[in-house]
Amino acid sequence: GIQVEQSPPDLILQEGANSTLRCNFSDSVNNLQWFHQNPWGQLINLFYIPSGTKQNGRLSATTVATERYSLLYISSSQTTDSGVYFCAVERYAGGTSYGKLTFGQGTILTVHP
Amino acid sequence: DTEVTQTPKHLVMGMTNKKSLKCEQHMGHRAMYWYKQKAKKPPELMFVYSYEKLSINESVPSRFSPECPNSSLLNLHLHALQPEDSALYLCASSQDKGLIDYGYTFGSGTRLTVV
Repeated sequence: GIQVEQSPPDLILQEGANSTLRCNFSDSVNNLQWFHQNPWGQLINLFYIPSGTKQNGRLSATTVATERYSLLYISSSQTTDSGVYFCAVERYAGGTSYGKLTFGQGTILTVHP
Repeated sequence: DTEVTQTPKHLVMGMTNKKSLKCEQHMGHRAMYWYKQKAKKPPELMFVYSYEKLSINESVPSRFSPECPNSSLLNLHLHALQPEDSALYLCASSQDKGLIDYGYTFGSGTRLTVV
């Protein structure tokens, strides 16, 4: 199956700092998403980004599909950004069947006031 | 409505109990999923329903029994669970992969404790 590696595993920031999270994957994919899991467990979809660049407020993401990596940028971090950030990828099983979403191990982000 | 709703949010059950987890979405998504997440680990796929039919079972023990009564509803029936089954159970849904902005929407999960 597809291997997904995220780095760094842990990241500690002061409020207002910027950061970059990385996701490497081992094979071509049809779907790549970035999620934020808050302390209560909810997985919040940040970006659907199998290729290209997207921005949403202080967050932006870039996926370079040909080189099999994606980056998540967080600018002017806030304490509410704390939590676990997951990269997840999917390679379709073919036909009309749905693929399997494979998650990386996550990056634990802690933002101090 | 852009949400996946899961109930209950918390559940404590004994090893001889029978309980069910419920998941509902009204986004017109045709695929629904159950994931299991242990502490400090990523979610792991359990089951996939596509157009109300079970399409993937990731070798999950039979004490977990999924059911998809209609395109908006997904249940997970639990029976004779073990303490090691304690985890966060996440439901997700997605549109047909042929549509733009295909992606998964997750619910807030049910935190299950087996005693």
